[in-house]
Amino acid sequence: EADIYQTPRYLVIGTGKKITLECSQTMGHDKMYWYQQDPGMELHLIHYSYGVNSTEKGDLSSESTVSRIRTEHFPLTLESARPSHTSQYLCASSVNERDSYNEQFFGPGTRLTVL
Amino acid sequence: KNQVEQSPQSLIILEGKNCTLQCNYTVSPFSNLRWYKQDTGRGPVSLTIMTFSENTKSNGRYTATLDADTKQSSLHITASQLSDSASYICVVGDRGSTLGRLYFGRGTQLTVWP
Repeated sequence: EADIYQTPRYLVIGTGKKITLECSQTMGHDKMYWYQQDPGMELHLIHYSYGVNSTEKGDLSSESTVSRIRTEHFPLTLESARPSHTSQYLCASSVNERDSYNEQFFGPGTRLTVL
Repeated sequence: KNQVEQSPQSLIILEGKNCTLQCNYTVSPFSNLRWYKQDTGRGPVSLTIMTFSENTKSNGRYTATLDADTKQSSLHITASQLSDSASYICVVGDRGSTLGRLYFGRGTQLTVWP
């Protein structure tokens, strides 16, 4: 099992709250990613990072923001949560080589419910 | 448009039986294809990864095939076990960007009954 961790695993909060989803990895990977996944649907890339101080928006528009101050941490923040943000959020990381595999290792996910 | 389509959407089989899951893709330029297993409430875990030059890869009871000409892949599970109950996701990587973008299918939800 990959050494990538996410906290909290489950979160239920009220509308308008600010939340931060934590993601950390101990593999020394440069590339990190955040995906959003609704039940029965495919994963959608919402943010990614090539390394420290690098962050980019993904394919799916998201009101969340990310930061990458340290290699091992890639937290995701929602300034004002809304019910439409209810989803599963998955963090992943991969080595920073343009190899043919670019294997991504996933964390266990955070199930967010906004009431 | 880069897409990954999987079939069937769901499948129920009895323990000990074999099954085959299908994946069709339109991702171009193609880099690699991988199958992930995702247990309920967990993150995906890689089962197999294949590049353009590989047409089959095994991992225990899991065997994946790839036909890059027809852009099709299959995942065959032999002698299924209760622990095989999960969603199996086909993922295709492109080589058109430094990010190595991945395109995900919606998965096949497999249920193994005793």
